[in-house]
Amino acid sequence: QKEVEQDPGPLSVPEGAIVSLNCTYSNSAFQYFMWYRQYSRKGPELLMYTYSSGNKEDGRFTAQVDKSSKYISLFIRDSQPSDSATYLCAMSANLQGGSEKLVFGKGTKLTVNP
Amino acid sequence: ETGVTQSPTHLIKTRGQQVTLRCSSQSGHNTVSWYQQALGQGPQFIFQYYREEENGRGNFPPRFSGLQFPNYSSELNVNALELDDSALYLCASSLGGAGIIQYFGAGTRLSVL
Repeated sequence: QKEVEQDPGPLSVPEGAIVSLNCTYSNSAFQYFMWYRQYSRKGPELLMYTYSSGNKEDGRFTAQVDKSSKYISLFIRDSQPSDSATYLCAMSANLQGGSEKLVFGKGTKLTVNP
Repeated sequence: ETGVTQSPTHLIKTRGQQVTLRCSSQSGHNTVSWYQQALGQGPQFIFQYYREEENGRGNFPPRFSGLQFPNYSSELNVNALELDDSALYLCASSLGGAGIIQYFGAGTRLSVL
C-alpha cells in the first residue's frame, strides 16, 4: 500500500463548478498536510498547508484534514479556467535531526472548461 | 516566482553518462531538498542538504549524490545514467532544519536515451 493515495483523474468541470480533490494516507506520523498546484512544465507551487484536523480557508480554496480517517481534501469554489493544472497533495514526514521530507500523491489533473 | 532557480532547463544524455544539475535556493533559505518526478507521478524524495551536510535520503541508489555549498546552493549528480532516470528533477528550498514549507524551482527535465 502506498503511503499517500490520490486519484489521478483526469477531472473535467465547467467554469464556476465546485471542485473536490482528495487524498488518503496510511502513515499516522504525518504532521503537516499541503496542497501544491503544478502547471504544465513548471515546478509545484504551494497553495495551502494545515497542521491539525479541521478546515482552513484561503479565498476560493478550502483545505480540510480528518486525521481520524486519514483523509484530506481541497475544495475549489467558483472554479476558473486558470485553475486548470495538476493538484498534488503532500505530507511531511520526519527525517533525522528533526528535518522533514515531503511525501506526495500522484496528482490529480484538473481541467476547467470555459 | 519562488526565487529558486535550477539549471539547465533541459538536458539530453545517453545511457551510462554522468550528469550534474544545479540549484540556487531562495534568499535566506539554508535547506535544499531534491525530488525526482517521473511522467504522471508525484515527486519522489531523493535527499536533503542542511548546512552542507546530507540530512536524509530517500530510496535512491548511491549513484545519486549531492553537494551543498556555503552559499546554500546545491548540486545533484547522477552517475551511470539509466533510461529510467528520465524525469523532471526538482529542487526545493526551505528555512531551517525543519524544512516543512518547501518552495520549488521549475525543475530540470532530463532525458536519457
